[in-house]
Amino acid sequence: KQEVTQIPAALSVPEGENLVLNCSFTDSAIYNLQWFRQDPGKGLTSLLLIQSSQREQTSGRLNASLDKSSGRSTLYIAASQPGDSATYLCAADSGYSTLTFGKGTMLLVSP
Amino acid sequence: KAGVTQTPRYLIKTRGQQVTLSCSPISGHRSVSWYQQTPGQGLQFLFEYFSETQRNKGNFPGRFSGRQFSNSRSEMNVSTLELGDSALYLCASSLRELMTGANVLTFGAGSRLTVL
Repeated sequence: KQEVTQIPAALSVPEGENLVLNCSFTDSAIYNLQWFRQDPGKGLTSLLLIQSSQREQTSGRLNASLDKSSGRSTLYIAASQPGDSATYLCAADSGYSTLTFGKGTMLLVSP
Repeated sequence: KAGVTQTPRYLIKTRGQQVTLSCSPISGHRSVSWYQQTPGQGLQFLFEYFSETQRNKGNFPGRFSGRQFSNSRSEMNVSTLELGDSALYLCASSLRELMTGANVLTFGAGSRLTVL
C-alpha cells in the first residue's frame, strides 16, 4: 500500500526566502508525482506533474524533482512571496487516477 | 474552457440521512475520480469512473457509492450518514495527454458536507 509523507508539516518564512518542501513515498511503482496547492476552504490547484521517466519539472519560481529509486520528491520555491501562503500537497499516481496524498505542508510567508 | 463543476458547494444533513453530490467534468474528459478530505485523514481516494465503469475503488464502506453517466457527469451517494462523514468531497476529471502520456487531474472546488 502506497504511503506518502510530507515534511515539514508547517513552515513559516519571511518574504524573499528560498525554500524546499519534501515528499517521500513508499512504493516506487508510480506513473507520476504531482504537486498541488490548496488555499483554505478551496479545491486543489495543480502546480507541477513529474512523470516517472522524468527527473524534474519547472514552472516559474517552482521547481520539482523526482528520485524514484529513493522514493523522494522535492518542491523548491524561489524568492517566496506572501501570495505563496497555502497548503502544498504532493500525490503519487498509481494509475486509474488513483492518487495517494501526503498530509501537506502548510506554508506561511510573512511580508 | 469551463473547469470541473461540483454541486452543491455546501450542505448540512443529519445522521441517518443520505446525500447525493454531483460532478460535471471538463468537456472531453472521460475519467472522473472522487476524494474525501478530512482534517484527521487528509485526502483519501474514494473511486474512479471511466466511460460509465468503475475502474478502481478506495477503502470505504459500501455506504459510499457512485456512478457515471454517458455524458461523463458523475454522482456520488452516501447513505445512512454518520458524523464522521463530515468532509470536503472533491471531484477530479482527467485526460491522458497524447504527447506525453501524462494523466493530469483537474479538481473541482468541492462539496462541503456537514453531518449533525
